[in-house]
Amino acid sequence: AQSVTQLGSHVSVSEGALVLLRCNYSSSVPPYLFWYVQYPNQGLQLLLKYTSAATLVKGINGFEAEFKKSETSFHLTKPSAHMSDAAEYFCAVSEGQASKLTFGTGTRLQVTL
Amino acid sequence: EAGVAQSPRYKIIEKRQSVAFWCNPISGHATLYWYQQILGQGPKLLIQFQNNGVVDDSQLPKDRFSAERLKGVDSTLKIQPAKLEDSAVYLCASSLGGSGRETQYFGPGTRLLVL
Repeated sequence: AQSVTQLGSHVSVSEGALVLLRCNYSSSVPPYLFWYVQYPNQGLQLLLKYTSAATLVKGINGFEAEFKKSETSFHLTKPSAHMSDAAEYFCAVSEGQASKLTFGTGTRLQVTL
Repeated sequence: EAGVAQSPRYKIIEKRQSVAFWCNPISGHATLYWYQQILGQGPKLLIQFQNNGVVDDSQLPKDRFSAERLKGVDSTLKIQPAKLEDSAVYLCASSLGGSGRETQYFGPGTRLLVL
């Protein structure tokens, strides 16, 4: 069965600092991996996804993530945080032809001045 | 292109009452999903439709939850009777196809509070 672990339910960074949100997955077959962002009282918006092409995936708003099979990881990074990045971030996995998404518990990103 | 529409946005009911949520997916999207997001947790899939057929309802509490997508377009999710633990945000999502690589597009959700 597929699963996702997000380390750190809350992450706080200063504006302009590096953002690193961690995601580890478990999957019995080659996975598809996703990062979604959720702003207060809104639905989830796709940031980026890995679908077995390039292992370094670039997304919207300057975010990127690297798929590392040996570490079963798909960490999300952004070189310089902006106040508007404050939100909840979810990592998710799906397998093969089954599109069911299994989500992690989320990481709330706080950006301070 | 219009996104996924959901209504109502908020609902407050008492336990043992019934409630229904509506979802209209992005035009042309064959696959529709309902997720439950409890406070502090990630969304959990309740049911997945491909056109008007059910693909996965393994985590749907069928004694109280039901869902339908009669014409393969919009969908309703019903809870009857509601319990306190049903308080959550109910998210509807849609995707063009049903494979694992497809992007799911989410609506704004319906926030349910059961008193």
